[in-house]
Amino acid sequence: NAGVTQTPKFQVLKTGQSMTLQCAQDMNHNSMYWYRQDPGMGLRLIYYSASEGTTDKGEVPNGYNVSRLNKREFSLRLESAAPSQTSVYFCASKGQSSYNEQFFGPGTRLTVL
Amino acid sequence: AQSVTQLGSHVSVSEGALVLLRCNYSSSVPPYLFWYVQYPNQGLQLLLKYTTGATLVKGINGFEAEFKKSETSFHLTKPSAHMSDAAEYFCALPMDTGRRALTFGSGTRLQVQP
Repeated sequence: NAGVTQTPKFQVLKTGQSMTLQCAQDMNHNSMYWYRQDPGMGLRLIYYSASEGTTDKGEVPNGYNVSRLNKREFSLRLESAAPSQTSVYFCASKGQSSYNEQFFGPGTRLTVL
Repeated sequence: AQSVTQLGSHVSVSEGALVLLRCNYSSSVPPYLFWYVQYPNQGLQLLLKYTTGATLVKGINGFEAEFKKSETSFHLTKPSAHMSDAAEYFCALPMDTGRRALTFGSGTRLQVQP
């Protein structure tokens, strides 16, 4: 099992460009998440999807959109990138039970110039 | 609202010394609590978790944490630090009563000196 995979690993964008970050999990998990990590701020939730076909806003959703394509895949789109979106982005997934921990992907390091 | 506070953004210990990383929480429901570790340029991986039952929880790599309801704390300890423990550590708990997503502390970077 690959667990949670993310592509790309690194990306540099110019202000105003768009891009989609891809995430896939092979653990048959219902819930999937997108976080951003900035120095000194821990991880902040952007969006999450409790099940296929549903998405909900997290703490910092502005400037982002998501798509839960199927049970395996959950993508994050930046329509018009801004320097404030320079960050490391992590995707995670979780099984059905509340007791279950989240499993994280390796991250995408995004720089917006 | 649920929240997590990690005291000390940087902790430095000598190899072989006790590691103590502090986490305090605020929760309106009985909390589930997690400690995650992040090695440089990697994603987060679970160290240990408390859900119910025994309040002293053992995790991987010799770490353990004790849930203290009276102190609203879940501090992480390891009796003897190893160079390989150098990493960033995050405490987390579910961000709402639905327990669907986690809220994380700001992290503590552990340095281990030879």
